[in-house]
Amino acid sequence: AQKVTQAQTEISVVEKEDVTLDCVYETRDTTYYLFWYKQPPSGELVFLIRRNSFDEQNEISGRYSWNFQKSTSSFNFTITASQVVDSAVYFCALSDRDRSGGSYIPTFGRGTSLIVHP
Amino acid sequence: KAGVTQTPRYLIKTRGQQVTLSCSPISGHRSVSWYQQTPGQGLQFLFEYFSETQRNKGNFPGRFSGRQFSNSRSEMNVSTLELGDSALYLCASSPGTSGGRSTDTQYFGPGTRLTVL
Repeated sequence: AQKVTQAQTEISVVEKEDVTLDCVYETRDTTYYLFWYKQPPSGELVFLIRRNSFDEQNEISGRYSWNFQKSTSSFNFTITASQVVDSAVYFCALSDRDRSGGSYIPTFGRGTSLIVHP
Repeated sequence: KAGVTQTPRYLIKTRGQQVTLSCSPISGHRSVSWYQQTPGQGLQFLFEYFSETQRNKGNFPGRFSGRQFSNSRSEMNVSTLELGDSALYLCASSPGTSGGRSTDTQYFGPGTRLTVL
């Protein structure tokens, strides 16, 4: 099983629609870190958010919001009133340890391509 | 602050050759990570350096190696290139507050596009 699953390969919306990108992760570690990154057509990944496993507070930043639920191992990302500039590939990532005392290894999901039409 | 810079941006090599890619982190950042991005395997972690020492390593063969210098700049080397090594190689820097444990926020460079013929 994949450690980070982004089941939506591609989402297409019209501007001003709300869109939610799903991320489900799998880990046995009790302390882990979750991230979302955006990769626009230019190719450079842009950091969006970092969460540790002890912080389940949802976060809102402008039109972006994140819903972290440990009970379902999900860390979903919602864009409200989408804009054409939001078109990009969005990656969810998990950093955890395979064994106690081991190294943290980042694992990225396969990404969700978001296309926002004008 | 200037962002992460990677050189060269594009590279074409033939099978069997070796290649060295360079990464300059954001000023003040002490940790550098390397990733390989391909359509087939997605984004995969190669390794992370902190204070000139490799702290974490992904699941890649020994042909992939790296080093970090005292000014935090890093190089990645791939020896005996194979066709499957064609990829976008991304470098990311982070402040290093976790001591190179791959838990910090990472800031990515534009990548080096390597094509192996």
